[in-house]
Amino acid sequence: DIVMTQSPASLSVSPGGRATLSCRASQIISTNLAWYQQKPGQAPRLLIYGASTRASGIPARFSGSGSGTEFTLTISSLQSEDFAVYYCQQYNNWHTFGQGTKVEIK
Amino acid sequence: VLLVESGGGLVQPGRSLRLSCAASGFFFDDFAIHWVRQAPGKGLEWVSGISGNSGNTGYADPVKGRFTISRDNAKNSLYLQMNSLRPEDTAFYYCAKTVHGYNFDAFHIWGQGTMVIVSS
Repeated sequence: DIVMTQSPASLSVSPGGRATLSCRASQIISTNLAWYQQKPGQAPRLLIYGASTRASGIPARFSGSGSGTEFTLTISSLQSEDFAVYYCQQYNNWHTFGQGTKVEIK
Repeated sequence: VLLVESGGGLVQPGRSLRLSCAASGFFFDDFAIHWVRQAPGKGLEWVSGISGNSGNTGYADPVKGRFTISRDNAKNSLYLQMNSLRPEDTAFYYCAKTVHGYNFDAFHIWGQGTMVIVSS
């Protein structure tokens, strides 16, 4: 099974600041990687798929990069609505989610 | 595009429960649909998925042999038959539609979830 490891577990960022979230796969997954945002009491929301393609309606301040085993989600100029938990997901061999990164207000 | 789950509730360990997911707003037959669960205060866990024509199904190891995914394209509905339930199956269960229709694809549209509590 493919294990997805996210780091850090939590991140404190000031509004307007930049957040960089990492995700590592235990095996090569090409670019079969998605990122989701989840707020309390809500279903997850797809942000990025194919490692770097923004889903429809997702602001340009969200960007994804990486391939193989190392991936990054960058949120530039954090807005108040961006404070949430972020999950990566591999879909190269069925599906596995990372454990999540909580982005908090500094 | 809408997915609405139902069928959750409180069930004793060892018993069964069947979840449903009603879809609307898209051509159901063309899309693989998946179940994802989230235990209270925990992260997301993929449970099972099924292709549009039901020809390809997959299950996470913790549910393999106990859960069965199925769909009825005539009714635009997805199901999850859960047998031999365990306390660790307690979670919100979401159904999710894939972006392009493949089983190996990101999940674009999610339902609001249905809660399953396994407890005596």
